[in-house]
Amino acid sequence: SQELEQSPQSLIVQEGKNLTINCTSSKTLYGLYWYKQKYGEGLIFLMMLQKGGEEKSHEKITAKLDEKKQQSSLHITASQPSHAGIYLCGAYTEYGNKLVFGAGTILRVKS
Amino acid sequence: EAGVVQSPRYKIIEKKQPVAFWCNPISGHNTLYWYLQNLGQGPELLIRYENEEAVDDSQLPKDRFSAERLKGVDSTLKIQPAELGDSAVYLCASSFSAEGDTQYFGPGTRLTVL
Repeated sequence: SQELEQSPQSLIVQEGKNLTINCTSSKTLYGLYWYKQKYGEGLIFLMMLQKGGEEKSHEKITAKLDEKKQQSSLHITASQPSHAGIYLCGAYTEYGNKLVFGAGTILRVKS
Repeated sequence: EAGVVQSPRYKIIEKKQPVAFWCNPISGHNTLYWYLQNLGQGPELLIRYENEEAVDDSQLPKDRFSAERLKGVDSTLKIQPAELGDSAVYLCASSFSAEGDTQYFGPGTRLTVL
């Protein structure tokens, strides 16, 4: 079965600093989703990547998909307290009918 | 446009009691999902509906869990009887179709079994 490993498990950054979260798949990625979750709340869709080398940005968050490495990265520029939360990557399995998730990366931003 | 609605948001029950969760998906979304999320982990699929048909319930513990999606819109997930290990967040999500579409999640129901 497909597994997604996220790193780091958690990180604390000073407000204004940049950071990167990685998501590595045990199998070929056919699409990679990034979600954000606040404690006690549901998942908020951030962006989806489908093609190798694809890069998308939303405000100060940029995600890239490297199919060769079966990896995706999420980069936050000039972090703010509003960026704090749990970032989860998810990917559809080969047959496109089941979304599996990583365990999440907990981000804390110190102001 | 309204998002996925779930109720209740929080539920505390004694073990062996029954409990039910309700979900209303985004209007027009044919596919509905129920997920279980334990603390420190990502969501895990329990059951997927396409319209009113449960097409993937392989991860649903059928001895105590049941679900229904009457008329292909709202859905209810039930646990009877609840066990201590069922304490978790139960998330509902919906998508337009099941073929790799983006899933949108509700706020979840946090269940505590005492």
